[in-house]
Amino acid sequence: AQSVTQLDSHVSVSEGTPVLLRCNYSSSYSPSLFWYVQHPNKGLQLLLKYTSAATLVKGINGFEAEFKKSETSFHLTKPSAHMSDAAEYFCVVTYYGGSQGNLIFGKGTKLSVKP
Amino acid sequence: GAVVSQHPSWVICKSGTSVKIECRSLDFQATTMFWYRQFPKQSLMLMATSNEGSKATYEQGVEKDKFLINHASLTLSTLTVTSAHPEDSSFYICSARDRRVSTDTQYFGPGTRLTVL
Repeated sequence: AQSVTQLDSHVSVSEGTPVLLRCNYSSSYSPSLFWYVQHPNKGLQLLLKYTSAATLVKGINGFEAEFKKSETSFHLTKPSAHMSDAAEYFCVVTYYGGSQGNLIFGKGTKLSVKP
Repeated sequence: GAVVSQHPSWVICKSGTSVKIECRSLDFQATTMFWYRQFPKQSLMLMATSNEGSKATYEQGVEKDKFLINHASLTLSTLTVTSAHPEDSSFYICSARDRRVSTDTQYFGPGTRLTVL
């Protein structure tokens, strides 16, 4: 069975410092992994996705994530946080070629950015 | 590209009324659309999968007679919350999968905030 665990419910950083949002997954198959961002009262925006190509995935707004099979992790990073990065971030797992409706969401990590 | 819209963005209704929420893929065709529900400070929970031209598939615990889904065309799916009650108040989000692309990526709408008084 597939599952995803976001290790931190809340992360607080200062503007200009690095961001690390942690995600571990469990999958019996070759997973596809996503990071979505949700700003308050807004829908979800795709930041980046991993689908068995390069293990280091670059996304929008300077975010990137590295797929580490040995650690079953897909942590999201950004070298320098911006105030506009404050939002809720969801790590999502699915398995490639799976049946419809098989996105499994983590519980989310709220990122706060202090000036 | 890959824009999904929802209408309305928010709605307030009285208990016992029905509310219809529309989900549209604006620049692509979606044979499959998904409806999620999100409670405050929680993650998204899949309610149902909507297929164009066929009946929706509901997740366990979701009442199909309560949450009516119609996928009338390749660009439109509707969710009707029938006889809404305060416990139905939530943030409803739809997503769509682009039929031209054989990946798992879903594109999400901006959500609809439902408040039942």
